Amino acid sequence: AQSVTQLDSHVSVSEGTPVLLRCNYSSSYSPSLFWYVQHPNKGLQLLLKYTSAATLVKGINGFEAEFKKSETSFHLTKPSAHMSDAAEYFCVVSAYSSASKIIFGSGTRLSIRP
Amino acid sequence: DAGVTQSPTHLIKTRGQHVTLRCSPISGHKSVSWYQQVLGQGPQFIFQYYEKEERGRGNFPDRFSARQFPNYSSELNVNALLLGDSALYLCASSSGVLAGTDTQYFGPGTRLTVL
Repeated sequence: AQSVTQLDSHVSVSEGTPVLLRCNYSSSYSPSLFWYVQHPNKGLQLLLKYTSAATLVKGINGFEAEFKKSETSFHLTKPSAHMSDAAEYFCVVSAYSSASKIIFGSGTRLSIRP
Repeated sequence: DAGVTQSPTHLIKTRGQHVTLRCSPISGHKSVSWYQQVLGQGPQFIFQYYEKEERGRGNFPDRFSARQFPNYSSELNVNALLLGDSALYLCASSSGVLAGTDTQYFGPGTRLTVL
């Protein structure tokens, strides 16, 4: 069985400060893990993905995430927040190759204070 | 290059009616997946089609069906609409059959409201 838990429904940070969005997963298989971002009235955009290569994954717009098997975590970070980062972020876990086992987290809304 | 397109953008239906949503994948992509996103929740997988064959099905009732055409576009059909079907329906395309590991590209969605 697979599951994904985003530990914070809402995170608020000041512009220029670090961002941390937390994600824990559970998977019976070697998982693939993704982070997607959804801006208001726009489709989901892939930020980064982990598929059993390097455990530190770099994505677009300065985001990165580290796969920690011992902690079953895949937290998303960014050193310095920008106003344009305000959006909804989804952590996704999937079993190898199976579309029916793609599980989205409930989302974390990121707000940026000026 | 055009991204994934979906039509219509918004739709209002009444309970018991039928609805058809349409999706055109990125050129060259042969896989289309459908997701339902209820307000305040993450998307939930409904179907995946690859080369016109169903490759995956989520936990949705038989009122939901889909198909893929020779040009790889796809339709999602929902019969006997319920209030709980109100949601944003997302379509995603990818190049290969491995939707679980491939990068998926999402369309802007169709907002369905059932009254």
